[in-house]
Amino acid sequence: EAAVTQSPRNKVTVTGGNVTLSCRQTNSHNYMYWYRQDTGHGLRLIHYSYGAGNLQIGDVPDGYKATRTTQEDFFLLLELASPSQTSLYFCASSRDTLYAEQFFGPGTRLTVL
Amino acid sequence: GDSVTQTEGLVTLTKGLPVMLNCTYQTTYSPFLFWYVQHLNEAPKLLLKSSTDNKRTEHQGFYATLHKSSSSFHLQKSSVQLSDSALYFCALTSYGSSGNKLIFGIGTLLSVKP
Repeated sequence: EAAVTQSPRNKVTVTGGNVTLSCRQTNSHNYMYWYRQDTGHGLRLIHYSYGAGNLQIGDVPDGYKATRTTQEDFFLLLELASPSQTSLYFCASSRDTLYAEQFFGPGTRLTVL
Repeated sequence: GDSVTQTEGLVTLTKGLPVMLNCTYQTTYSPFLFWYVQHLNEAPKLLLKSSTDNKRTEHQGFYATLHKSSSSFHLQKSSVQLSDSALYFCALTSYGSSGNKLIFGIGTLLSVKP
């Protein structure tokens, strides 16, 4: 089964702080995704990537940067965190095909005070 | 653009009763529909998926049929168990989507009581 790990699992920062969320997958998947989950909104795509060095804009990208350094590693960066970015963040990966299952990591709960 | 609608935010049922969670979608391309389930403090996991019109797909006692004529992919189970209590997401992708992007509904929380 797909293995996707995330770190940290919990993070508290202050408004204006700098945060990096990490994701690693060990299934040789080309696609990786960052989502945020908020009650009443479901899962919303922030950024995604189809390989090292590639970055695609998702549906709610404002205030977020991302970088895919290797096939395994995908990072989400919040350079000036705001309270509106308090959320549960999930990373996911999938194979290339359109119908492919997405495998999710355990999530990172971020609180911006 | 593509969209998914889940009309119920919360469904509360007694164990042993049947359930149907509604999902409708909108896309101008051929659709691929998914149901993901998320138990408390866990990650979402795929429950079932379909791209074939009018064909029932089943997994772990749950089933759904994609009806392109009504743009629906409702999730059903004939007898819910306490362990079915979870958040259920309907999701859509299509050939018009780039990067295998999934569009998720807002989710339906299923609460099963003894």
